[in-house]
Amino acid sequence: KNEVEQSPQNLTAQEGEFITINCSYSVGISALHWLQQHPGGGIVSLFMLSSGKKKHGRLIATINIQEKHSSLHITASHPRDSAVYICAVRRDSNYQLIWGAGTKLIIKP
Amino acid sequence: DTEVTQTPKHLVMGMTNKKSLKCEQHMGHRAMYWYKQKAKKPPELMFVYSYEKLSINESVPSRFSPECPNSSLLNLHLHALQPEDSALYLCASSHDPSLNQPQHFGDGTRLSIL
Repeated sequence: KNEVEQSPQNLTAQEGEFITINCSYSVGISALHWLQQHPGGGIVSLFMLSSGKKKHGRLIATINIQEKHSSLHITASHPRDSAVYICAVRRDSNYQLIWGAGTKLIIKP
Repeated sequence: DTEVTQTPKHLVMGMTNKKSLKCEQHMGHRAMYWYKQKAKKPPELMFVYSYEKLSINESVPSRFSPECPNSSLLNLHLHALQPEDSALYLCASSHDPSLNQPQHFGDGTRLSIL
């Protein structure tokens, strides 16, 4: 079993829909990251969380440390949100990131 | 625009060639990273430099040789690569590897080995 599991693997939605991507992990962590990767490669760090909730524009990230679960929400989705969204956790014990497999999101106009 | 600059953006090379990938950041970050990413997979960590010293080598073959000439620059020297080494190579940086800080990524170098 992978230490970081994301769901769904693929998600296609219509413009304007509310999007939720989930991440579960099985190790002790000091932080959880949500990142976005567009076709062509560049990765952008969206959020780093160790507790609670963060909001940036139409993006909201939450984490429940007890349940070892995090969600990334996108409100009023737009075709430009189409990308791969990756969850990565930083272990308690060292500073390496453990990466989820990513969720490929397509927003249709 | 990314604050981590990688060059070249694309590289095609034969198995006997020697080439180098370059990465530069001017954010004062003291940790720099090389990742390898195959299609439809998450990035895999290759090397970590902390305060210009190699701190992590994830059992990477010796045909990949990293170098950190100063705190702003990170190179990856390539020699005698194999076709399976074709991938996107990503550089990243962060303030300090021991702190919980986001990593800033470059756009990557897409490497093809003929």
